[in-house]
Amino acid sequence: EAGVAQSPRYKIIEKRQSVAFWCNPISGHATLYWYQQILGQGPKLLIQFQNNGVVDDSQLPKDRFSAERLKGVDSTLKIQPAKLEDSAVYLCASSHPSGPGPYEQYFGPGTRLTVT
Amino acid sequence: AQKVTQAQTEISVVEKEDVTLDCVYETRDTTYYLFWYKQPPSGELVFLIRRNSFDEQNEISGRYSWNFQKSTSSFNFTITASQVVDSAVYFCALSEASGFNKFYFGSGTKLNVKP
Repeated sequence: EAGVAQSPRYKIIEKRQSVAFWCNPISGHATLYWYQQILGQGPKLLIQFQNNGVVDDSQLPKDRFSAERLKGVDSTLKIQPAKLEDSAVYLCASSHPSGPGPYEQYFGPGTRLTVT
Repeated sequence: AQKVTQAQTEISVVEKEDVTLDCVYETRDTTYYLFWYKQPPSGELVFLIRRNSFDEQNEISGRYSWNFQKSTSSFNFTITASQVVDSAVYFCALSEASGFNKFYFGSGTKLNVKP
């Protein structure tokens, strides 16, 4: 079974530029998550989708971050314009209900973003 | 308030030593799940274990064991006879049944196993 795919793996941009990340979850997984992981910290949830609907985006900086999950499969996360403090690893995860939850999440390799 | 606390920022041990990683959580829910993940230098978080709040039985999987104590709100992880390949950052996470599978991660403990 293929895991969670993410691209690109690395991205370097200048502040005020825009950037987009792509995620393809494990086949059949209804729930998709985007996390931000700053160096030395645990992942912080940015947005959670259930199929193509948003379940939780309370910690998404909506003035500059946006995300979509068209057709309930793959998803994109965009930052526009980027700030220096957005330098982090952006992780995508997915989960699939298979009994009493909550359920483990499976993570992709992440995209390391550096904003200069 | 922080829901998951991993007070040990970094631990260094010599190969074959046993090591315990601490995790303390906070929740008002009676139904919740606790998780441990491993993040090796490659960066991908790897799922290790899921434990629900109604099952306090300790679990052992090879060299890994987990001790869940509701009385102290702790879910500690022990690696027996550590190996260099165990070097990674380990995260504890909490998910409340009322929370749509939202995870609260601790800040992680970096484990260095030296040969």
